[in-house]
Amino acid sequence: KAGVTQTPRYLIKTRGQQVTLSCSPISGHRSVSWYQQTPGQGLQFLFEYFSETQRNKGNFPGRFSGRQFSNSRSEMNVSTLELGDSALYLCASSWTGGGSNTGELFFGEGSRLTVL
Amino acid sequence: AQSVTQPDIHITVSEGASLELRCNYSYGATPYLFWYVQSPGQGLQLLLKYFSGDTLVQGIKGFEAEFKRSQSSFNLRKPSVHWSDAAEYFCAVGAQAGTALIFGKGTTLSVSS
Repeated sequence: KAGVTQTPRYLIKTRGQQVTLSCSPISGHRSVSWYQQTPGQGLQFLFEYFSETQRNKGNFPGRFSGRQFSNSRSEMNVSTLELGDSALYLCASSWTGGGSNTGELFFGEGSRLTVL
Repeated sequence: AQSVTQPDIHITVSEGASLELRCNYSYGATPYLFWYVQSPGQGLQLLLKYFSGDTLVQGIKGFEAEFKRSQSSFNLRKPSVHWSDAAEYFCAVGAQAGTALIFGKGTTLSVSS
């Protein structure tokens, strides 16, 4: 069974640009969450999508947005990039259909964004 | 405020020695607790989880953790550390299974020979 796939793995942008990151969840997983990881702030929750609807949102500015498609794939977008947006962006998917593994997060390897 | 504290930023353990990584949480509701491990350049892998029931939970790679409600702790243990266990370890807490987890800042484990 394929794991969570994130693309691109690495990217470099300049301030003011925007970026779109993609996440393909494990087959059958309908929930996708996004986290930002930085050395200073650690791992912080961005948002969670389930069945194409944002179900939960962390404390990030409106420049950070996301969406989920009917096949559960998700994208997140960051507009007007700032130097502080440099981070590892992790996507996680989870099974929500009941059983002992319900809600367990499976993480991708992340997309490392550098803003210059 | 909801939070997770991992008091040890960096721990060095000799190969074959025992390990305990500390985790304390502050959470208003019944917590769902997790330990994840991250190797350099990789995503996070779930080691174990506690939702309810037996307070001593077993995980992968020989790890276990004990939930102590009175101490608001969920410490991770391993009886004998292997060099391949060197990584960063994160404790996390959530309101329900999986979503909107609050992570600790992590503990980096180094293993000496």
